Amino acid sequence: ETGVTQTPRHLVMGMTNKKSLKCEQHLGHNAMYWYKQSAKKPLELMFVYNFKEQTENNSVPSRFSPECPNSSHLFLHLHTLQPEDSALYLCASSQSRLAGQTQYFGPGTRLLVL
Amino acid sequence: GENVEQHPSTLSVQEGDSAVIKCTYSDSASNYFPWYKQELGKRPQLIIDIRSNVGEKKDQRIAVTLNKTAKHFSLHITETQPEDSAVYFCAAKDSGGSNYKLTFGKGTLLTVNP
Repeated sequence: ETGVTQTPRHLVMGMTNKKSLKCEQHLGHNAMYWYKQSAKKPLELMFVYNFKEQTENNSVPSRFSPECPNSSHLFLHLHTLQPEDSALYLCASSQSRLAGQTQYFGPGTRLLVL
Repeated sequence: GENVEQHPSTLSVQEGDSAVIKCTYSDSASNYFPWYKQELGKRPQLIIDIRSNVGEKKDQRIAVTLNKTAKHFSLHITETQPEDSAVYFCAAKDSGGSNYKLTFGKGTLLTVNP
């Protein structure tokens, strides 16, 4: 359960705020992911990083800005968000981004945008 | 891109009964199909996966079947227990080209009644 950690676990922010979500993996993996989980919707992939390089941006609005300083850490910088951005943001990691590599999820950050 | 449909969205069974959740996918290049279980307030966790060169895989009370021709795969849980109550997500992953995305279904809320 401690392989992938996320902070904070809960966040309430106004539309004009700037905040950052942090993810850290202790599994020695090389790929990290950000997902958005909204009620009654599938898990939506947002970004993929492989060896610190962004390899996927799934048409995410620019108010979400990822950062991957090394293979163990992943950030999601948030600014001027909208209420519809309220959701559970999940980080995941895998050995690599190849098919068949199990993705391990963090506990998520529950975000509420007022 | 890949599209994954999952049914049913909710499933209620009596303890000891079997539960079956079905998913279809659209991209014939997909070759990896994991199933995740997400208990209330917790992170998604992999429970079983199958690769396209295999038709069926079992792990104790859980089994997954894959029909590549029909592009559908199913999760079977036998002798259900109350602790099996959770949301189950299927996913499909394509290894072709630069697309290494896991595309998830919308999830099935399974309730096992004692």
